[in-house]
Amino acid sequence: DTGVSQDPRHKITKRGQNVTFRCDPISEHNRLYWYRQTLGQGPEFLTYFQNEAQLEKSRLLSDRFSAERPKGSFSTLEIQRTEQGDSAMYLCASSLGDGGGGSTIYFGEGSWLTVV
Amino acid sequence: RKEVEQDPGPFNVPEGATVAFNCTYSNSASQSFFWYRQDCRKEPKLLMSVYSSGNEDGRFTAQLNRASQYISLLIRDSKLSDSATYLCVVNGGSQGNLIFGKGTKLSVKP
Repeated sequence: DTGVSQDPRHKITKRGQNVTFRCDPISEHNRLYWYRQTLGQGPEFLTYFQNEAQLEKSRLLSDRFSAERPKGSFSTLEIQRTEQGDSAMYLCASSLGDGGGGSTIYFGEGSWLTVV
Repeated sequence: RKEVEQDPGPFNVPEGATVAFNCTYSNSASQSFFWYRQDCRKEPKLLMSVYSSGNEDGRFTAQLNRASQYISLLIRDSKLSDSATYLCVVNGGSQGNLIFGKGTKLSVKP
């Protein structure tokens, strides 16, 4: 399977714990995005990378959230001191170019986080 | 005003019906527009891009009105398999991210 892969697919954690999600984009895709989606809402943009550079971060990305893409390939999203409001599906996506025009953004299957 | 707004759902239609979804966006600098489809508890998948001249893909027709900052999706001859949430998506102008609407849920009944 050469699509976007995310790990873990499901995570249940206790409030206050740290969690880390990993995303492997489609190979050769230079752009990588993180989104968060809660029930009944569309995906909300968190951040994106062009190669290893983090070009934009949403205001939703509080100081408890950090994302990295150290070698311009896979990326990690870490949430520190998790809160119940962090429970959501975390979606990773990748694209070649800027995702506009003829270039398509491809999503992974998501990582479901439940904070108890 | 929200960046991308969509018709509130859900839309419950019989098989064979024609259904239309509308969407408005706030950033006049946006250049790229899409409709994504999302099945329950699955990731969004691209349904179609939306071009200024309007475009059609089988039973699906998308239209864009830049002056009104309005996007539409028309589904003809609805199938049971069309049941899903349809997300209107706009790129963030000079920014690289895509902005998603909340989505409109479609349920096609036999």
